[in-house]
Amino acid sequence: QKEVEQDPGPLSVPEGAIVSLNCTYSNSAFQYFMWYRQYSRKGPELLMYTYSSGNKEDGRFTAQVDKSSKYISLFIRDSQPSDSATYLCAMSALSGGYNKLIFGAGTRLAVHP
Amino acid sequence: NAGVTQTPKFQVLKTGQSMTLQCAQDMNHNSMYWYRQDPGMGLRLIYYSASEGTTDKGEVPNGYNVSRLNKREFSLRLESAAPSQTSVYFCASNPGGETQYFGPGTRLLVL
Repeated sequence: QKEVEQDPGPLSVPEGAIVSLNCTYSNSAFQYFMWYRQYSRKGPELLMYTYSSGNKEDGRFTAQVDKSSKYISLFIRDSQPSDSATYLCAMSALSGGYNKLIFGAGTRLAVHP
Repeated sequence: NAGVTQTPKFQVLKTGQSMTLQCAQDMNHNSMYWYRQDPGMGLRLIYYSASEGTTDKGEVPNGYNVSRLNKREFSLRLESAAPSQTSVYFCASNPGGETQYFGPGTRLLVL
């Protein structure tokens, strides 16, 4: 079983829709939770970063962490064609003396006009 | 401020050939990382360097070597390339804490 599970999609939505992206994990030691966005043929870029349980909002994006259920979500409101990308969840725990970052496989999102 | 740069962008190798992937960052970050990204597998850590002069193995180090040349540069070497090393390779750096900044990637095809 992978430490982090993420549905690869693809997810196709019309412009303006609310998008929900999710990851589950098995390691209760994870404390930091991140979402990266990766455009085609580009490197991942950090989108959202949260510590422990709760919500964090940044513009149209909301990151949600539920540590009791080992479940994290990213919501995108009023989705735009420019949001079309692969979204990677990532989680961090101290391992062997350094912060080990574990990535989900990524969910491909397409927002069509 | 270029961030994290990687060369080359794309490379084709024959089985058994060697090559070095270059990475440099201009953000004065202490930690640097090499990942590979394969379909359905996410990003997997190959090697990392917590600071200049130190390197450690990650999740999938077999078949690779690294050199932290100085604070800016961290190279990844394939001594004898195999088709299983066909992948997209990303270098990343970290100023401390959990966030990492990624380069644009090197696409490697081993025939």
